[in-house]
Amino acid sequence: DAKTTQPNSMESNEEEPVHLPCNHSTISGTDYIHWYRQLPSQGPEYVIHGLTSNVNNRMASLAIAEDRKSSTLILHRATLRDAAVYYCILKDNTDKLIFGTGTRLQVFP
Amino acid sequence: DTEVTQTPKHLVMGMTNKKSLKCEQHMGHRAMYWYKQKAKKPPELMFVYSYEKLSINESVPSRFSPECPNSSLLNLHLHALQPEDSALYLCASSHRFKGTEAFFGQGTRLTVV
Repeated sequence: DAKTTQPNSMESNEEEPVHLPCNHSTISGTDYIHWYRQLPSQGPEYVIHGLTSNVNNRMASLAIAEDRKSSTLILHRATLRDAAVYYCILKDNTDKLIFGTGTRLQVFP
Repeated sequence: DTEVTQTPKHLVMGMTNKKSLKCEQHMGHRAMYWYKQKAKKPPELMFVYSYEKLSINESVPSRFSPECPNSSLLNLHLHALQPEDSALYLCASSHRFKGTEAFFGQGTRLTVV
């Protein structure tokens, strides 16, 4: 299973942008990069995914490095409801979705 | 309908009991997953079903027995559990394509006494 490395925790103030990094130096050419988040007392929630190009949706943006060895999840204006654990996951040709340790994001008013 | 429904939400069982966790989705997903999550840890993959057949078993003890009776339902049968099996059990489903998202239920909080 391809590994990802994320910082254990990050902090942000409300209404500021947040950049959550993820390193995945062993990514293979066909692995998709997925991001999920888990709010307290809830199941994980899909955020965004991409293969090579940067992606935007209503929740966030995903910036993927040209060599694909790293990516960054961007929350454009953090809110208190964005406080969660964010997981960066590589999805390969199997059906496995393996969670790493994730980044705990704290958002301060 | 983009929901994965898990029942029950909470379960307390003794070490000699037999119980089952249930998961249901109506999104036409043909991959379904069971995860176990201990407090302050990431979810750990237990089983994956693909087209109602068990495709991945992550070396889970036999006291956990999964079942997929049809494309919408996934069960996890529990027997002779230990207190250390107390955890949040999460179900998820997705299309069988790595470029698509998985949907998770809210989980069953299991306590083994």
